[in-house]
Amino acid sequence: GAGVSQSPSNKVTEKGKDVELRCDPISGHTALYWYRQSLGQGLEFLIYFQGNSAPDKSGLPSDRFSAERTGGSVSTLTIQRTQQEDSAVYLCASSLGDINQPQHFGDGTRLSIL
Amino acid sequence: AQSVTQLDSHVSVSEGTPVLLRCNYSSSYSPSLFWYVQHPNKGLQLLLKYTSAATLVKGINGFEAEFKKSETSFHLTKPSAHMSDAAEYFCASSMNRDDKIIFGKGTRLHILP
Repeated sequence: GAGVSQSPSNKVTEKGKDVELRCDPISGHTALYWYRQSLGQGLEFLIYFQGNSAPDKSGLPSDRFSAERTGGSVSTLTIQRTQQEDSAVYLCASSLGDINQPQHFGDGTRLSIL
Repeated sequence: AQSVTQLDSHVSVSEGTPVLLRCNYSSSYSPSLFWYVQHPNKGLQLLLKYTSAATLVKGINGFEAEFKKSETSFHLTKPSAHMSDAAEYFCASSMNRDDKIIFGKGTRLHILP
């Protein structure tokens, strides 16, 4: 069956531009997670959704970052006025809902800010 | 505070020899624990998980991990390394319902021919 799909797979943009990253979770998965992975670093939790609501936004690095999820399915992560330190791989994962359930990951979006 | 520590950032073993990747967690409660593997330019794939059933957990590709509460450890092992095991491995922990999952910083496993 289809896994978690992320688009684009690669994105190169100039500093100061806005970018939008998309995640299509596995059908039926109520929980959706966004992580950031920088070179040589582990996974940095950004935000998670349970259905369309986001109980925990504590990981968003600044107010330039926002995310939404509609219809309990697709999610978009938006970064406004991008900075070079935003360059990273952004990973999305989905799960059946309970935090104890394993997460299924997409292949990520590699974001490069020039 | 909840935390996950992977003690080695890099581990190198020869093909056919045992693999040991170490993970320690901190928690006041019984955690759920996971090991994930990440191959280059890919997302993470679940290897195995512990959720308070048997303390020895068997996963995919011949990996297994043992939960030791007294040592707050969940080390990942494999009896015989294969070249295809070369990847980055992440240990993760969740403590409470509706809480977020915490990942370690990862261990890169190198397999020597």
